[in-house]
Amino acid sequence: DVKVTQSSRYLVKRTGEKVFLECVQDMDHENMFWYRQDPGLGLRLIYFSYDVKMKEKGDIPEGYSVSREKKERFSLILESASTNQTSMYLCASSLTIYRGGSGTEAFFGQGTRLTVV
Amino acid sequence: AQSVTQPDIHITVSEGASLELRCNYSYGATPYLFWYVQSPGQGLQLLLKYFSGDTLVQGIKGFEAEFKRSQSSFNLRKPSVHWSDAAEYFCAGRREYGNKLVFGAGTILRVKS
Repeated sequence: DVKVTQSSRYLVKRTGEKVFLECVQDMDHENMFWYRQDPGLGLRLIYFSYDVKMKEKGDIPEGYSVSREKKERFSLILESASTNQTSMYLCASSLTIYRGGSGTEAFFGQGTRLTVV
Repeated sequence: AQSVTQPDIHITVSEGASLELRCNYSYGATPYLFWYVQSPGQGLQLLLKYFSGDTLVQGIKGFEAEFKRSQSSFNLRKPSVHWSDAAEYFCAGRREYGNKLVFGAGTILRVKS
C-alpha cells in the first residue's frame, strides 16, 4: 500500500520559532510537494522538489524553505513562525513525467495542522 | 499563468439528485487533470484522472468527468448523490510536460435528505 507519512498530525508552536515539518514517502517517487490548505483558498503550492537537492518555488514560498537530502524525505521549514502561518499543511508525492509519470496522480499524507500562537 | 478554477465554493443537492461540479483550466497545451475528494478530517483521495484518450472518464464511487477542450472544462458528475458524498472536492491540473501540480479552491458539497 502506497504511503506518504507526515511526522505530526497536530503542532502548536510559538511565534518566532523555527519549525520543521517532515514528510516521508515509500513509493520511490521523484516529485514531492508541500501545500498549504486554507478554507476558501484550496490547496496552494508552497514548494515542490523534482529530485534530490532540487526544488522549485510554488505560488506562496515567502516565509518558507525546504530541504530534500534523500529521495524519500522532503522537509518544510518555517524559519520564523508567524501567526499567519497557522494552517493545514499537506505533503504529496508523484512519479516524474520522465519516468512515464505524465498521467499519474499525486498521493497525499494526512496533513499537519499547525497552530502558531 | 497556468491555473485551475472552481467557480462554486458551496453546492447543496438533495440525496438522490444528480450532481455536477465545475472546473475550468487555463493550460495552453494538453493538460493533465484530476479530481480529488476530501472528507472531513481525512486526506485527499483521487476520484479520477484524465491525460489522453476518451474524454469521458470514469472514476471511483460512481463519479465521472468529461474533458471539453472547447470549453476548457473538466466537470465532475454523478447521477445520484448519496449522503456519504458530502465532502470537499478539488480539481487539479498539470501541463503536459510539467511536474508541478496546481489545485483549484475547492467546492464544498452538502447533501440534504
